[in-house]
Amino acid sequence: AQSVTQLGSHVSVSEGALVLLRCNYSSSVPPYLFWYVQYPNQGLQLLLKYTTGATLVKGINGFEAEFKKSETSFHLTKPSAHMSDAAEYFCAVRDVSGNTPLVFGKGTRLSVIA
Amino acid sequence: NAGVTQTPKFRILKIGQSMTLQCTQDMNHNYMYWYRQDPGMGLKLIYYSVGAGITDKGEVPNGYNVSRSTTEDFPLRLELAAPSQTSVYFCASRHRQGQSYEQYFGPGTRLTVT
Repeated sequence: AQSVTQLGSHVSVSEGALVLLRCNYSSSVPPYLFWYVQYPNQGLQLLLKYTTGATLVKGINGFEAEFKKSETSFHLTKPSAHMSDAAEYFCAVRDVSGNTPLVFGKGTRLSVIA
Repeated sequence: NAGVTQTPKFRILKIGQSMTLQCTQDMNHNYMYWYRQDPGMGLKLIYYSVGAGITDKGEVPNGYNVSRSTTEDFPLRLELAAPSQTSVYFCASRHRQGQSYEQYFGPGTRLTVT
């Protein structure tokens, strides 16, 4: 079964600093990969996804992620953090074969310090 | 489109009571899902449905039941509520065609069982 590991349950960065949130998956066949964001007391919103093609994927709000097959990783980055980026971020995967549901990581809470 | 809607937003139940969490989507999505979110644990799949009349268990189905009589609605039933069911519940949906299609989430129902 697929599993997703997000390193660091809480990441704190200064405003204007680089944001790096880590995600690794366990699968011999690369899955479809997603990053979702959850603002306080809200549902989840898709940031970006990787299916096929270019391994560097750009999403909303200046975020991007790079699929690295050799490292089984899909880390999320943003060059310069804004206060509004403070939220919880979830990495999720889905098998490319079969109609299986998304499997989520445990989430990383991002704090942005002024 | 309203997207995925959930009612109620908040509910407090006493141990042993039962209730139904409502979920409706107006995007004509075939697939629908119920997740629960507990602090530091990410999202865990309770039940899902690939179309009207078809449901299947997820990772944590015990204590819950679902039905799918229409494409639009996917209610989640809690029988004999227990404190362990205190959680935030999210409903989600997506198109059938295309594994890469993302899941759209409702705003959630925050349930407390005391």
